[in-house]
Amino acid sequence: SYVLTQPPSVSLAPGQTARITCGGDNIGSKRVHWYQQMPGQAPVLVVYGDSDRPSGIPERFSGSNSGNTATLTISRVEAGDEADYYCQVRDTSSDHWGYVFGTGTKVTVL
Amino acid sequence: EVRLVESGGGLVQPGGSLRLSCAASEFTFSDYEMHWVRQAPGKGLEWVSYITSVNTVYYADSVKGRFTISRDNAKSSLYLQMHSLRAEDTAVYYCAREAYGSTCFDYWGQGTLVTVSS
Repeated sequence: SYVLTQPPSVSLAPGQTARITCGGDNIGSKRVHWYQQMPGQAPVLVVYGDSDRPSGIPERFSGSNSGNTATLTISRVEAGDEADYYCQVRDTSSDHWGYVFGTGTKVTVL
Repeated sequence: EVRLVESGGGLVQPGGSLRLSCAASEFTFSDYEMHWVRQAPGKGLEWVSYITSVNTVYYADSVKGRFTISRDNAKSSLYLQMHSLRAEDTAVYYCAREAYGSTCFDYWGQGTLVTVSS
């Protein structure tokens, strides 16, 4: 089955830029979506289709995707950005057709 | 505002059954493909099942043959019938709407907790 690998954690100070990677075989050929999940809450879509933002999501959130790595970038990180972040794709290329989530990255704002 | 409200979770013994429901409102339910996604305590998100607007269904290998997804468009409701439950099925179960023309989940419910334990 298709595997998406994320770093377990990222720690940074307010105002810095967070870059969260999502690695997968030829992920650049797929549309990647990103979710933010606050403790005890449902996930929220923050980037879809590699780099588009839903309405209401700050411009500080951006995405890119090429080769074997997709990246979620959070510019000028704020304390309120502290959360778990997950990438997601739909895999139609293997015998295990389905929707796949990354392993998740916990962002800590120091 | 789109709303998804899950219900039906609870404590069930291993080998038991449970039926989850998801009530949708403020959008034309029949036009959208819907999913169940779960999250075990302290773990990441896991896609469970998917039903298209014309009732084509797909399942994760981990639940295939044990879980059944269905929908009632007249009631704007999504269901997940779960049989032969195992300890590893313990999780918060979310229903989620797939964005029209995309492969992402644009709206999620608040989740319902299923605990499989003796």
